[in-house]
Amino acid sequence: DIQMTQSPSSLSGSVGDRVTITCRASQSISDYLNWYQQKPGRAPQLLIYAASTLESGVPSRFSGSGFGTDFTFTISSLQPEDFATYYCQQSDSSPRTFGQGTKVEI
Amino acid sequence: QVQLQQWGAGLLKPSETLSLTCAVYGGSLSSHYYAWIRQSPGKGLEWIGEINHSGTTKYNPSLKSPVTMSVDTSKSQFSLNLTSVTAADTAMYYCAREIRTGSSWYSFDSWGQGTLVTVSS
Repeated sequence: DIQMTQSPSSLSGSVGDRVTITCRASQSISDYLNWYQQKPGRAPQLLIYAASTLESGVPSRFSGSGFGTDFTFTISSLQPEDFATYYCQQSDSSPRTFGQGTKVEI
Repeated sequence: QVQLQQWGAGLLKPSETLSLTCAVYGGSLSSHYYAWIRQSPGKGLEWIGEINHSGTTKYNPSLKSPVTMSVDTSKSQFSLNLTSVTAADTAMYYCAREIRTGSSWYSFDSWGQGTLVTVSS
């Protein structure tokens, strides 16, 4: 199985901050990497697929980059509604696997 | 806009069978895989497996409880069975649609509301 490792596991930020989360795959996954946002009591929501493509309707302050084993997710200016947990997920092979999550707190 | 709605028993005893069903509204079962994903505090998000409209399945080999998935295209529903559950199967269970974008990029773009399943004697 491909292991996905996110860092940090949590971070504190303020409205307007630039936030960066990294995700590392245990082997090369090309750009088969997705990012999700999950708020308490809700299902995860797709934000970015193919490492850098924004899902329809997702604000442009969210962005992703990377290829191979190292990926980055950035929120350019943190908004109150962005406080949530973020997960990366690889779709290179089965079983699909997720990172352990990064909780973004105030 | 596709919507997924899921249901099933939320409280089970060890060795019982977990059964969940997910209905797909506003979209066809064709052309996509439909997955079950669970989330527990100890293991985070875990992909259980997925099925397509013709019944082709992919399962996560790391699951200890035997898994079976089925599809009913006439009802636009798909189901999950986990037999002989243990406390380790306690989790929030989600159904989700996995779509393919372009030639080979896959992602879970629609999710059910989740069903909390607790296994306790």
